[in-house]
Amino acid sequence: GENVEQHPSTLSVQEGDSAVIKCTYSDSASNYFPWYKQELGKRPQLIIDIRSNVGEKKDQRIAVTLNKTAKHFSLHITETQPEDSAVYFCAASHSGNTGKLIFGQGTTLQVKP
Amino acid sequence: DADVTQTPRNRITKTGKRIMLECSQTKGHDRMYWYRQDPGLGLRLIYYSFDVKDINKGEISDGYSVSRQAQAKFSLSLESAIPNQTALYFCATGGQVTGELFFGEGSRLTVL
Repeated sequence: GENVEQHPSTLSVQEGDSAVIKCTYSDSASNYFPWYKQELGKRPQLIIDIRSNVGEKKDQRIAVTLNKTAKHFSLHITETQPEDSAVYFCAASHSGNTGKLIFGQGTTLQVKP
Repeated sequence: DADVTQTPRNRITKTGKRIMLECSQTKGHDRMYWYRQDPGLGLRLIYYSFDVKDINKGEISDGYSVSRQAQAKFSLSLESAIPNQTALYFCATGGQVTGELFFGEGSRLTVL
């Protein structure tokens, strides 16, 4: 089955700096790669996703890149703000066939004012 | 929002007790999931269901069972709880068009 590895487990940056979180997946058939943000004490919520037919997607200060050959994808947050502090999870699935979403271990991002 | 509702939100129980966590949704989604969250281990899939007659094991189904009572209801049971099942449990729903999951607020279970 699918296995998703995520690193780093913790990341601390200064406000205004960029943050990058990386994930690798094992199943070459996976075609859907979302990122979820979980604020302290809250439920995970989708912030951005990418499908295997594109290499990059941007939404304001966040972007995701996908390298299908290497089976890895990354989340990039620019101009970080204190409200970006949260746990971020990557995930992978065959959205067409099973919709079974497998998550990485999570990255705790701390943005220092 | 209350589109995905989990009960109870918090529960403390003893080893060997049977526990049921319930999930209901008003989003009209066919797909429902149970995940377990542990620090450093992320969200691990326990069971998932794509319709009332479809139940599938996830990554860590041992020690758990589920019941899909209706399209809107999906329950997770621990037949004989043990301390290493202490965790935060999330129910989630999803439609077929996108892969987005909508999570409930979580059920924190402590097994003593």
